[in-house]
Amino acid sequence: QKEVEQDPGPLSVPEGAIVSLNCTYSNSAFQYFMWYRQYSRKGPELLMYTYSSGNKEDGRFTAQVDKSSKYISLFIRDSQPSDSATYLCAMTEGGYNKLIFGAGTRLAVHP
Amino acid sequence: EAGVAQSPRYKIIEKRQSVAFWCNPISGHATLYWYQQILGQGPKLLIQFQNNGVVDDSQLPKDRFSAERLKGVDSTLKIQPAKLEDSAVYLCASSPEQEDTQYFGPGTRLTVL
Repeated sequence: QKEVEQDPGPLSVPEGAIVSLNCTYSNSAFQYFMWYRQYSRKGPELLMYTYSSGNKEDGRFTAQVDKSSKYISLFIRDSQPSDSATYLCAMTEGGYNKLIFGAGTRLAVHP
Repeated sequence: EAGVAQSPRYKIIEKRQSVAFWCNPISGHATLYWYQQILGQGPKLLIQFQNNGVVDDSQLPKDRFSAERLKGVDSTLKIQPAKLEDSAVYLCASSPEQEDTQYFGPGTRLTVL
């Protein structure tokens, strides 16, 4: 079993839709959770960063962490064609422990 | 603020040849990471430097991969000899001291024929 599981998609939605992206994990020691966005032929860019359980909102993006279920989500409201990218979840125990990435979910938002 | 710089952006070599990648992190970032991202997968950490020292190289195939970070600034990753399965994007990232957020460069896309 992988430490972090993420549905690879692809996920295709119409412009304006609400998108839900999810990851599950097995290591209960993970405390820091991130979402990265990666456009084709580019490096990942940090989108959201959360510590422990709870919600965090930034514009059209909301990150949720449920540590009891070992489940994290990223919601995108009013999705735009410019949101078309691969979304990678990542998590770490913190300190010098390495970041563990999911495989990424490809999202396509069509006009 | 300038981002993480990497070169070359693309490299095509034949198996058993050697190749080197270069990374210049964001100024002042103490921690530097090299990742391997195979098509359809998330990045996998190869090596992590804290200033000059190696923090984690547990997933670096040391029989063929080597990395160094001289003077605690830029870094090179070398593969010698390359195998077909080394075809991937090699990403460099950096982070400020005692922060978990990492900032990635554009990557080097390596194709081994």
